[in-house]
Amino acid sequence: QQQVKQSPQSLIVQKGGISIINCAYENTAFDYFPWYQQFPGKGPALLIAIRPDVSEKKEGRFTISFNKSAKQFSLHIMDSQPGDSATYFCAASHENSGGSNYKLTFGKGTLLTVNP
Amino acid sequence: ETGVTQSPTHLIKTRGQQVTLRCSSQSGHNTVSWYQQALGQGPQFIFQYYREEENGRGNFPPRFSGLQFPNYSSELNVNALELDDSALYLCASSLVGRGIQYFGAGTRLSVL
Repeated sequence: QQQVKQSPQSLIVQKGGISIINCAYENTAFDYFPWYQQFPGKGPALLIAIRPDVSEKKEGRFTISFNKSAKQFSLHIMDSQPGDSATYFCAASHENSGGSNYKLTFGKGTLLTVNP
Repeated sequence: ETGVTQSPTHLIKTRGQQVTLRCSSQSGHNTVSWYQQALGQGPQFIFQYYREEENGRGNFPPRFSGLQFPNYSSELNVNALELDDSALYLCASSLVGRGIQYFGAGTRLSVL
């Protein structure tokens, strides 16, 4: 059972355009929603993250929009650059009863290509 | 760089063999999680270690086992390797009570 559904699978945008990646989750216990960026041969790198008490978070060109009632969140990359070409993963997690971090549940990823 | 280091970078094994992968967590981080990433897929949670004990496990068989040491470094052991175990194995470190997990570059395991 896939608990975090990510779309699209791949995305091509022109330099300077806006890239939008969407995710939907099922488990209402999730309380932390990070986005990771992964380049070939590298591990995932944390890009930006949000908790459900806010509807939007912006860091530079990257913005997360969060809709708790719809159980959806999205990543917007403004002024997309060729260097942004990578695979992007949304994820979700919740703390277990012990208070320590629990597992991250990832989407299947979106391969973003930004053409010059 | 996240400060999470994994070794080896690449590994080739044959079916039925055993493998040990190693991870050094970021300085000060006391929790280590392991993930398996198949080609073209998102990482899948294997298990997490905190205070040298397993603190949660994903849908992986018992032949996947781990250790955490007093310095918070960790090992992932896989016995009786199968062809489907071929994947990128990722280690992530974090602080207890904080949601952020930082990943290493991974170990690419190929099972022939």
